[in-house]
Amino acid sequence: EAGVTQFPSHSVIEKGQTVTLRCDPISGHDNLYWYRRVMGKEIKFLLHFVKESKQDESGMPNNRFLAERTGGTYSTLKVQPAELEDSGVYFCASSHTGQGYYGYTFGSGTRLTVV
Amino acid sequence: GEDVEQSLFLSVREGDSSVINCTYTDSSSTYLYWYKQEPGAGLQLLTYIFSNMDMKQDQRLTVLLNKKDKHLSLRIADTQTGDSAIYFCAESIEGKLIFGQGTELSVKP
Repeated sequence: EAGVTQFPSHSVIEKGQTVTLRCDPISGHDNLYWYRRVMGKEIKFLLHFVKESKQDESGMPNNRFLAERTGGTYSTLKVQPAELEDSGVYFCASSHTGQGYYGYTFGSGTRLTVV
Repeated sequence: GEDVEQSLFLSVREGDSSVINCTYTDSSSTYLYWYKQEPGAGLQLLTYIFSNMDMKQDQRLTVLLNKKDKHLSLRIADTQTGDSAIYFCAESIEGKLIFGQGTELSVKP
């Protein structure tokens, strides 16, 4: 089965611009998560979708970040306008409901650099 | 509060054992995890341990859990150069993962 795919793998944008990150989860996985790692620090939870609904968005840093999962398939994470502190690696993960150990499968991440 | 801490760097020689340590704060975690990130790659689940276990062994990997001290460790036996990566400890709380900062393991030939 195909893994979790993230696009683009790298993005360099100027402060104030808009960037949209995309995540394609494993087919059939209801749960989709976004995490990010900023400046070599810990990986932090951003939000959790169950199908197309936002289950938990407590980790979203501010209203410049907008996540969507139309149709419960792929998800996008838009940053508008981007700030320097948004630089980091954004990871997406998916899982199947009922996996008792919450066995997430992570994508390779999108490295975002805001200059 | 939710906090997971790890040392940032570890350097070992090929063939030695590596021990990566982690402390966590939330005693309600059901599972604790070790993830590995190789350069340019995503996070790979290495192993996990259920909170009512003290130890789990999987080939060269041994996970020790001390619930009283909220301490988790990962031992890699016969460390190889291919084990060079960043290792993240994580606990699960209400379905989401709380990660540490990651320990960069460097294996010297």
